Amino acid sequence: QAHLVQSESELRESGASVKISCKASGYSFSSNGINWVRQAPGHGLEWLGWINTITGNPTYAQGSTGRFVFSLDTSVSAAYLEINGLQAEDSAIYYCARGVGFCSDGNCYLDPWGQGSLVTVSS
Amino acid sequence: QTVVTQEPSLTVSPGGTVTLTCASSTGAVTSGYHPHWYQQKPGQAPRSFIYDTVRKHSWTPDRLSGSLHGGKAALTLSGALPEDEADYYCLLYYNGSRIFGGGTKLTVL
Repeated sequence: QAHLVQSESELRESGASVKISCKASGYSFSSNGINWVRQAPGHGLEWLGWINTITGNPTYAQGSTGRFVFSLDTSVSAAYLEINGLQAEDSAIYYCARGVGFCSDGNCYLDPWGQGSLVTVSS
Repeated sequence: QTVVTQEPSLTVSPGGTVTLTCASSTGAVTSGYHPHWYQQKPGQAPRSFIYDTVRKHSWTPDRLSGSLHGGKAALTLSGALPEDEADYYCLLYYNGSRIFGGGTKLTVL
């Protein structure tokens, strides 16, 4: 059974960087892309993008500022989200989710999701 | 900037029927937007319930169904149960990118 486990909560100062991990198990890691989604406290979901686990090619959401970096370590079936130049508005729960189907043409659903990693940015 | 709009909140009586909608600022939502619907309960990660407009998972209750109606994607809940109370988000595809709707808080009361 597919399962995603994320790294624990992080506290950073404004301007710093953070790297969140998402470790997959129970399926072939290269079979499905990994999507990243965030949710600010009391707010809705925001799709950040996804990374192709075969090619390593990332796709970032429209309007993305360039501060987000997706990466992989296929040797340990893990995906990473690095956020640079943290701002107060980056305080959120960050989720990874497996994309099942053809994410490159939009026809993939997100399942399962990781448990979420809370990032808190202090000013 | 493209915006995906959902009803902020809806209330349905137990056993009742309610339809949640998902509209795009770019125009009518079609099957090419591959509408998805996710349910999220407090303190939990979201979970996919409907994908590719109408398709269900093995865990999707029969009382939930997806469709296109009036230029919007729609999620219909027929025979609401207390456990259906949750936030529901639609997700649309736009030429390589995706955008979530703002979510609908569904109350069963």
